[in-house]
Amino acid sequence: QQPVQSPQAVILREGEDAVINCSSSKALYSVHWYRQKHGEAPVFLMILLKGGEQKGHEKISASFNEKKQQSSLYLTASQLSYSGTYFCGTVPNAGGTSYGKLTFGQGTILTVHP
Amino acid sequence: DAGVIQSPRHEVTEMGQEVTLRCKPISGHDYLFWYRQTMMRGLELLIYFNNNVPIDDSGMPEDRFSAKMPNASFSTLKIQPSEPRDSAVYFCASSFGQRPTDTQYFGPGTRLTVL
Repeated sequence: QQPVQSPQAVILREGEDAVINCSSSKALYSVHWYRQKHGEAPVFLMILLKGGEQKGHEKISASFNEKKQQSSLYLTASQLSYSGTYFCGTVPNAGGTSYGKLTFGQGTILTVHP
Repeated sequence: DAGVIQSPRHEVTEMGQEVTLRCKPISGHDYLFWYRQTMMRGLELLIYFNNNVPIDDSGMPEDRFSAKMPNASFSTLKIQPSEPRDSAVYFCASSFGQRPTDTQYFGPGTRLTVL
């Protein structure tokens, strides 16, 4: 089942902050975040594992609350280069052929203006 | 190291024609995934292989779609006959392992337009 992302779209000015959320109805093992620019392939940002960890990548960080099956991506002091569509991909806490299988959310369009 | 390579990058064809999309995964990766991206359905997994063997094809929309991986460095996704609703961007991705922690690396995609 597809995770739900919110908001669907965000418009920012350079330097502003944003939060993108990803929720699943299933117990999760991990959450993967990708960014896709228009006409390009999704590019991996980071993985969050169950255990409630928070990770960072430059001014982009994320958290994972496994009890709530939610992850949030934090973009601080946004730059023009942050513009794109952000996808979360979730991996269920299950075995069989679901093991390691990514299911992507519908994406959040982030636009950063000068 | 070269990333995932896909060809062609763009394909325009007429309804009823056969379409073959190609993918070369990153060398050494043992998992290969085919995804389809549309505005309506987002990014959805069609099929994936492990060591050239199809593991899960539950995402393949119908019998018109087929995928093969004859060796570790090449995979094809074929649509026959093609229909306008097949128009989408098709991505191939590969990973080393399929643990929940393994990263999938995406190719540039093939934009398919079926007229």
